[in-house]
Amino acid sequence: DQQVKQNSPSLSVQEGRISILNCDYTNSMFDYFLWYKKYPAEGPTFLISISSIKDKNEDGRFTVFLNKSAKHLSLHIVPSQPGDSAVYFCAASGYAGGTSYGKLTFGQGTILTVHP
Amino acid sequence: DGGITQSPKYLFRKEGQNVTLSCEQNLNHDAMYWYRQDPGQGLRLIYYSQIVNDFQKGDIAEGYSVSREKKESFPLTVTSAQKNPTAFYLCASSPIAGGSYEQYFGPGTRLTVT
Repeated sequence: DQQVKQNSPSLSVQEGRISILNCDYTNSMFDYFLWYKKYPAEGPTFLISISSIKDKNEDGRFTVFLNKSAKHLSLHIVPSQPGDSAVYFCAASGYAGGTSYGKLTFGQGTILTVHP
Repeated sequence: DGGITQSPKYLFRKEGQNVTLSCEQNLNHDAMYWYRQDPGQGLRLIYYSQIVNDFQKGDIAEGYSVSREKKESFPLTVTSAQKNPTAFYLCASSPIAGGSYEQYFGPGTRLTVT
């Protein structure tokens, strides 16, 4: 049962344009969401996060939007740069009590390619 | 320089052999995690530990074992019972205090079993 889904396996964007990566979740207990960026053969690096009490969080070129009613979040990258080409994972977490604190559930990832 | 180290970067083993992957962190984080990544799939949680001498199974723990004897170290053993051990293995850590869910990842170990 995939609780976090990224339905687009890949996305191709021209340099300077906007990249929009999408993520859907099913578990209403999730209350914190993160985006990670990953290059091949390396560990993921944290990009940006959002708590369920907010609907938007911005950090430089990266903005994450959360629509709780639709159980949907998106990552916007503006403007996109060739160095942004990587796999992007969304992840979700929620305090369900006890030992599940801090546990992250990841989506399958979206490969972003930014063309010069 | 604080961070998470995983060694080795690449590991090759024959089928039927147990193999132990190393993970060390000097971030003074309480929690540590092991994930595996397969092509086209997200990161799947194998085991996690929130405190020394305690750990819990993740979503795909069968065929794996862990120990947490020191706060800094969380080695993962891939046993011969693991049916598809070839994968990219990632270790992560996070602070428990402060409500931060952010996990910091190591560079990973590519395990190939033939």
